Amino acid sequence: GAGVSQSPRYKVAKRGQDVALRCDPISGHVSLFWYQQALGQGPEFLTYFQNEAQLDKSGLPSDRFFAERPEGSVSTLKIQRTQQEDSAVYLCASSLRLEPYEQYFGPGTRLTVT
Amino acid sequence: RKEVEQDPGPFNVPEGATVAFNCTYSNSASQSFFWYRQDCRKEPKLLMSVYSSGNEDGRFTAQLNRASQYISLLIRDSKLSDSATYLCVVLDPYSSASKIIFGSGTRLSIRP
Repeated sequence: GAGVSQSPRYKVAKRGQDVALRCDPISGHVSLFWYQQALGQGPEFLTYFQNEAQLDKSGLPSDRFFAERPEGSVSTLKIQRTQQEDSAVYLCASSLRLEPYEQYFGPGTRLTVT
Repeated sequence: RKEVEQDPGPFNVPEGATVAFNCTYSNSASQSFFWYRQDCRKEPKLLMSVYSSGNEDGRFTAQLNRASQYISLLIRDSKLSDSATYLCVVLDPYSSASKIIFGSGTRLSIRP
């Protein structure tokens, strides 16, 4: 069946631009997670949704980062006024149940801020 | 001290060898542990959960040592296709999502 998809796969933004990253989770998956992965590091948690409710956004690095999942399915991670330190791979993962076990990851969006 | 620490490697071993690496965690109350595999420029994929009693899946064995606060992954009869980065994941108890913590990963390279 279809896995988690993310778009765009690659994004180059000039410093100061706003970007929007999309995640389509596996159909029926309740939980959705966003992670940021810098080169040579493991994924770092950003935020978590249970259906449409954003239950935890403690990992968002600044108020320039905003995520939503209005209908409990597709999610968008928005970064305003991008900075060079925002350059990373942004991974989305979904999980069938409420607990974050067995997360299925999308291929990620590689964001480069120039 | 980081909450989850892994030896970054790389571990470079010949095909057919047995290789093992550990992951230490700082919170003694942590309850759930996993190993993920990540190929270069690909997304992480769940390899196996780590149970208190230890568990085995084919050539892969995962163990938990609560006293010393580490989990281990053993790969027997290694294959070229095992070359990847292995990430350990620790979930703290009461498991709010923000307590999903990935290690930085251990790079494994299998040579012919």
